[in-house]
Amino acid sequence: QVQLVQSGAEVKKPGASVKVSCKASGYTFTGYYMQWVRQAPGQGLEWMGWINPNSGGTNYAQKFQGRVTMTRDTSISTAYMELSRLRFDDTAVYYCARKPFEWELPVDYWGQGTLVTVSS
Amino acid sequence: DIVMTQSPDSLAVSLGERATINCKSSQSVLYSSNNKNYLGWYQQKPGQPPKLLIYWASTRQSGVPDRFSGSGSGTDFTLTISSLQAEDVAVYYCQQYYNTLTFGGGTKVEIK
Repeated sequence: QVQLVQSGAEVKKPGASVKVSCKASGYTFTGYYMQWVRQAPGQGLEWMGWINPNSGGTNYAQKFQGRVTMTRDTSISTAYMELSRLRFDDTAVYYCARKPFEWELPVDYWGQGTLVTVSS
Repeated sequence: DIVMTQSPDSLAVSLGERATINCKSSQSVLYSSNNKNYLGWYQQKPGQPPKLLIYWASTRQSGVPDRFSGSGSGTDFTLTISSLQAEDVAVYYCQQYYNTLTFGGGTKVEIK
């Protein structure tokens, strides 16, 4: 069965960076985009960007340009999202989610989420 | 960016009654070459990731109960829960994937 298993919770200081991992299993990792979405406490869902695990190509939301880097390691079917220059308002649950290359199909599976807390 | 606007922000419905959630996009999400709306609905329960309920505005994901239905086209969409069950208490989000991804603000459904 399809599973996306994310790394554990993180506590970071303002200005630091965080790197969240998302290990995929149960499907061909290079056959689907990996999206990253975050959710601040009690708030809605915010798209951050995607990576094409096959080519390594990325598309970032304008809001995060210059601060986010999405990478992957195909040998271990794992995607990564690194966010730098953290601010207090980056405190959120970060999700990875897979989306078929056939763009007409939706995001269908999500990781369990990783809580990143930015605190001094 | 396509802006998704949901209404209401919250609603309370009696068990067995109908719940209706609306979603409006700032531009059409209907892809003319295949006549499909790139619009999905998700359910999120506390402490859980979102779960896909509906895609193409009206196609139920495998395993989703048939009390959930979606309708609409272009810029105006509706999610209907025909007979609310206790396990349907959640926040519901619409999402467009016509152009990257954007989400509505969410609608919290509670039991009256």
